[in-house]
Amino acid sequence: NAGVTQTPKFQVLKTGQSMTLQCAQDMNHEYMSWYRQDPGMGLRLIHYSVGAGITDQGEVPNGYNVSRSTTEDFPLRLLSAAPSQTSVYFCASRPTQGIGNTIYFGEGSWLTVV
Amino acid sequence: AQRVTQPEKLLSVFKGAPVELKCNYSYSGSPELFWYVQYSRQRLQLLLRHISRESIKGFTADLNKGETSFHLKKPFAQEEDSAMYYCALMGYQKVTFGTGTKLQVIP
Repeated sequence: NAGVTQTPKFQVLKTGQSMTLQCAQDMNHEYMSWYRQDPGMGLRLIHYSVGAGITDQGEVPNGYNVSRSTTEDFPLRLLSAAPSQTSVYFCASRPTQGIGNTIYFGEGSWLTVV
Repeated sequence: AQRVTQPEKLLSVFKGAPVELKCNYSYSGSPELFWYVQYSRQRLQLLLRHISRESIKGFTADLNKGETSFHLKKPFAQEEDSAMYYCALMGYQKVTFGTGTKLQVIP
């Protein structure tokens, strides 16, 4: 059971380039989300999805796009990278049914925009 | 709106001393609260959740609805407890994290 898998683990981009961070989970979780982690700011929610075909914005959505065509995959797209998007990105998933359900995190993607 | 506040960015304690990491929340419904731990450059891992009232690695946390708090406690800190700790609130759809507290246990 792979859990939540993120790729790539490390990436350096030039300002203005585009890229996609991939996230896949094999636990059939309805809920998936992307966070960015910055020193002193904790984890901030970028976008989330409660099921295939449904996405919504979090706290810091600007500059990022998402789609959810399947239950398993939730890619995060940076359309025109900016230095302010240098961060560590975490994908997470959890079931939406029931209470006390754990969130499972990927290993993180370290992104540097120069 | 749901909000999680962790007032301390850094908490330094000596080995063997008690630890209390503070977490306050704001939420209009019944909250589901969790503590996550992140060791250096690793993924976040669940430490404990209020609904199961468990004790993991000696840590406990009690939900106080009157004070809207979910503080994390451990009676005797160990060096291996040094890490980032995040309090999280699961609302209706979104999961909100606090800004985290770095626990530094001094040998």
